[in-house]
Amino acid sequence: SQKIEQNSEALNIQEGKTATLTCNYTNYSPAYLQWYRQDPGRGPVFLLLIRENEKEKRKERLKVTFDTTLKQSLFHITASQPADSATYLCALSYKLIFGSGTRLLVRP
Amino acid sequence: DTGVSQNPRHKITKRGQNVTFRCDPISEHNRLYWYRQTLGQGPEFLTYFQNEAQLEKSRLLSDRFSAERPKGSFSTLEIQRTEQGDSAMYLCASSAGTETNSGGPSYEQYFGPGTRLTVT
Repeated sequence: SQKIEQNSEALNIQEGKTATLTCNYTNYSPAYLQWYRQDPGRGPVFLLLIRENEKEKRKERLKVTFDTTLKQSLFHITASQPADSATYLCALSYKLIFGSGTRLLVRP
Repeated sequence: DTGVSQNPRHKITKRGQNVTFRCDPISEHNRLYWYRQTLGQGPEFLTYFQNEAQLEKSRLLSDRFSAERPKGSFSTLEIQRTEQGDSAMYLCASSAGTETNSGGPSYEQYFGPGTRLTVT
């Protein structure tokens, strides 16, 4: 069956450093992949969408890569800030499957 | 405010009662989705609509769950004979997606704040 894996352990980093979150999937050949941010008690907020023919996509301090051979996406936040602390979800758009998310904590 | 809205925000009900939630999508979006989310998990897809047509409902959790979007605008999600296991956050999202070669939605989704259901 299809499966998406995100690191269930929280990522704890120092302000100013780069945060890197991983999303691995199996048994899929998605045409695109999305990343969302979710704060406690709120709905997810769309961040970036990357298509299978795109290797990398950037938006301000955010960067996403998509390796269809490895079946993996990496999500980077550069110059991280405490306000970036949240749970980050990846989602394979085909059949709308979300990972369980990785919690990021940025220490001041 | 032109975002997705959901009502009520919180619902407490007794086991066995029926509940109905409403979602108002972004007005120009033709796709509307319902998800369920439990603590520590990502959203779990339930169903979605393209305008008033329900295109995918096989993932509804049981026949106690039903959704409608009668005029292609707002949508309702009903749970009949609620059980304690139905306690969760119910999220609605909308998008401007169109059909793709893979048959799935192609655009980012905008989520509402959710309705938190507690079944006692």
